Amino acid sequence: AQSVTQLGSHVSVSEGALVLLRCNYSSSVPPYLFWYVQYPNQGLQLLLKYTSAATLVKGINGFEAEFKKSETSFHLTKPSAHMSDAAEYFCAVSDLARSGNTPLVFGKGTRLSVIA
Amino acid sequence: EAGVAQSPRYKIIEKRQSVAFWCNPISGHATLYWYQQILGQGPKLLIQFQNNGVVDDSQLPKDRFSAERLKGVDSTLKIQPAKLEDSAVYLCASSRESTGPRHTFGSGTRLTVV
Repeated sequence: AQSVTQLGSHVSVSEGALVLLRCNYSSSVPPYLFWYVQYPNQGLQLLLKYTSAATLVKGINGFEAEFKKSETSFHLTKPSAHMSDAAEYFCAVSDLARSGNTPLVFGKGTRLSVIA
Repeated sequence: EAGVAQSPRYKIIEKRQSVAFWCNPISGHATLYWYQQILGQGPKLLIQFQNNGVVDDSQLPKDRFSAERLKGVDSTLKIQPAKLEDSAVYLCASSRESTGPRHTFGSGTRLTVV
């Protein structure tokens, strides 16, 4: 069964500092990988996705993630944190071995706090 | 394009009562998902529809939860009777074949069972 592990339930950074949110996955075949952001009392918004093309994926709001098969990782980064980045971030995986649209398996999430 | 619509946004009920949530996906999206997000956790799939057929309901507690998507468009998720542990945010998402598993989520319904 697929699973996603997000290291650190809470990450705190200073405004302007590097953001690094960690995600490791387990999958029998190379999967699709996603990062979603959730602001309070809102649904999930797609930040970026990996679908077996370029291993470095650029998303919205200055975020990017790198797929590393050897490390089974898909860490999310942003060079300079902004106050508006404070939110909950979820890594998710989808099984390419299944045909058609498949559901996502989510990690437990990482809450990002940005300190002024 | 219009987003995924969900209602109500909030609901408070007593245990053993029933409740229903509604979702209208993005037009043209054949696949519809219901997820349950318990506080402090990631969303967990309850049920997946392809048009008006069920693809995966293996994680749906069928003794109390039911869902339907009769005309292949909007969907209703029902809980009867509710338990305290059903307190969660219920998220609806949709996707279309051409974009693979990429989900677009609604704002969710926050259910509190007291």
